[in-house]
Amino acid sequence: GENVEQHPSTLSVQEGDSAVIKCTYSDSASNYFPWYKQELGKRPQLIIDIRSNVGEKKDQRIAVTLNKTAKHFSLHITETQPEDSAVYFCAAIPIVNFNKFYFGSGTKLNVKP
Amino acid sequence: EAQVTQNPRYLITVTGKKLTVTCSQNMNHEYMSWYRQDPGLGLRQIYYSMNVEVTDKGDVPEGYKVSRKEKRNFPLILESPSPNQTSLYFCASMRIAGTNYEQYFGPGTRLTVT
Repeated sequence: GENVEQHPSTLSVQEGDSAVIKCTYSDSASNYFPWYKQELGKRPQLIIDIRSNVGEKKDQRIAVTLNKTAKHFSLHITETQPEDSAVYFCAAIPIVNFNKFYFGSGTKLNVKP
Repeated sequence: EAQVTQNPRYLITVTGKKLTVTCSQNMNHEYMSWYRQDPGLGLRQIYYSMNVEVTDKGDVPEGYKVSRKEKRNFPLILESPSPNQTSLYFCASMRIAGTNYEQYFGPGTRLTVT
């Protein structure tokens, strides 16, 4: 099955700085890569996703990049704000043979005011 | 309001006492899934269901059972809970048809087995 590795496990940045979280996957059949944000005590929520036919996707201050050859994808958050503090999870899924969701182990982002 | 609900939200039980955590969604989603969340391990899938009467194991199914008799409900059953099943559990649902694969998570159930 798929193996998703996520780094770093914790990340601390100053407000206004950028944050980058990286994930690697093992199954070349994976073609859908979502990112979920989980605030303290809350449920995970989708913030952005990318498919394998696209190299980059942006939504305001967040962006995701995908390198299919290297099998890695990254979440970029610019101009970080305290409300960006949360745990972020990446995932890799093969849509064609859709069944299991494989999540990374999570990154706890702390944005210091 | 579109939502996924879980009950109970908190549960403290003893080893070996059977329990059921309910999950219900009102979005007519085909796909439903259970995850457990443990520190440093992220979200690990326990079981999932592609539709009514269709269930399959995720990565950590040992000690759990599920059923999908109706489209909206997907209960998680622990026949004989053990302390290593102490965890935060999330139910999620998703529409398979179409191109949006967003999973909607329930509020979570914090289970403690003593």
